[in-house]
Amino acid sequence: GAVVSQHPSWVICKSGTSVKIECRSLDFQATTMFWYRQFPKQSLMLMATSNEGSKATYEQGVEKDKFLINHASLTLSTLTVTSAHPEDSSFYICSAQRGRYNEQFFGPGTRLTVL
Amino acid sequence: AQKVTQAQTEISVVEKEDVTLDCVYETRDTTYYLFWYKQPPSGELVFLIRRNSFDEQNEISGRYSWNFQKSTSSFNFTITASQVVDSAVYFCALSETNTGNQFYFGTGTSLTVIP
Repeated sequence: GAVVSQHPSWVICKSGTSVKIECRSLDFQATTMFWYRQFPKQSLMLMATSNEGSKATYEQGVEKDKFLINHASLTLSTLTVTSAHPEDSSFYICSAQRGRYNEQFFGPGTRLTVL
Repeated sequence: AQKVTQAQTEISVVEKEDVTLDCVYETRDTTYYLFWYKQPPSGELVFLIRRNSFDEQNEISGRYSWNFQKSTSSFNFTITASQVVDSAVYFCALSETNTGNQFYFGTGTSLTVIP
């Protein structure tokens, strides 16, 4: 099966710093990747859709200047949380889409804690 | 409006009991996909099943079975002879081809299997 990795798996940072999370499709090319956020005991909420070589599409209510997404290659998308604050503490999960039959594969997630 | 509804927030069963997790979806697409994922405490989503809208056959995989009924827009998941390792949060999800294949997750059902 297809594998998607995320790095780091967890990160703790001070308020005001920026954190970059990487999402990689290890054995397939993904023209589209998605970023989700999950708060404790809640569902996954789509933050943005990332297409290789173009600007990401953000969901309503997600600040594009705060959550910078770069999809520079067919196997890598990055999410940068700029000037992180405690309320940004969450579990961030990416998924990568393979082929045109809507196969999506999820990464293991990154747990961000902002102090 | 919620596209995927999982009415059961939490369920507790005693080991070896059967349990059914409900999922009701809403879509106007004729082509769509339905999924079930398991999320253990580690957070990583575990893929369980993917169903396309044209395949209403029920499926059985070991102790797991799924009942897809388009007439009631439901895609229910049954675990037979539950085990403690089945304890997790289970998410039902919908993907529509006309909305860029993004996933709409239900709010999840937290299942606790008591030994």
